[in-house]
Amino acid sequence: KAGVTQTPRYLIKTRGQQVTLSCSPISGHRSVSWYQQTPGQGLQFLFEYFSETQRNKGNFPGRFSGRQFSNSRSEMNVSTLELGDSALYLCASSAHPSGSVQEQFFGPGTRLTVL
Amino acid sequence: DQQVKQNSPSLSVQEGRISILNCDYTNSMFDYFLWYKKYPAEGPTFLISISSIKDKNEDGRFTVFLNKSAKHLSLHIVPSQPGDSAVYFCAAWHDMRFGAGTRLTVKP
Repeated sequence: KAGVTQTPRYLIKTRGQQVTLSCSPISGHRSVSWYQQTPGQGLQFLFEYFSETQRNKGNFPGRFSGRQFSNSRSEMNVSTLELGDSALYLCASSAHPSGSVQEQFFGPGTRLTVL
Repeated sequence: DQQVKQNSPSLSVQEGRISILNCDYTNSMFDYFLWYKKYPAEGPTFLISISSIKDKNEDGRFTVFLNKSAKHLSLHIVPSQPGDSAVYFCAAWHDMRFGAGTRLTVKP
């Protein structure tokens, strides 16, 4: 069974630009969550999608948005990039929505650098 | 707000000894706790979990202890092996919150 895949793996952007990251969950998984990992902050929850609907949202500004497609693939978009957005963005999939506690399977992440 | 805290950014132990990683939380709504292990260039992988109705869960060399009154949990690895060297994240569920991670180094 293929794992969670994220593209691209590395990305360099400049301030003010926008970026779109992609996540393909494990086959059959319908829940996709996005996290931001920065040194010292650990993993911070961005949002979760299940069956194309956003179920939960973390405490991030509106510049961070996402969506999920009918095949469960998800995209995350960050507009008007800031230097502080440089981070590793991780996507995790699970078979069930967040209302049920399940282990999440993480992708390798996309490392975004904002110059 | 840091509702889940791992106050030790790093820990170094000798091979064969016990590794103890600690995690504190503030939200009494958390009812499920998980530990993840992360190697460089890989996503975190699930290690072990514990429900708030238990105070201990064991899986091979890994044991998680939960002290609800103290809002504290710990991960014990016995015996520690060099392959255990990684960053360990504690996570708490009500909505998923992670600690900042502890980098464990096990020296041969």
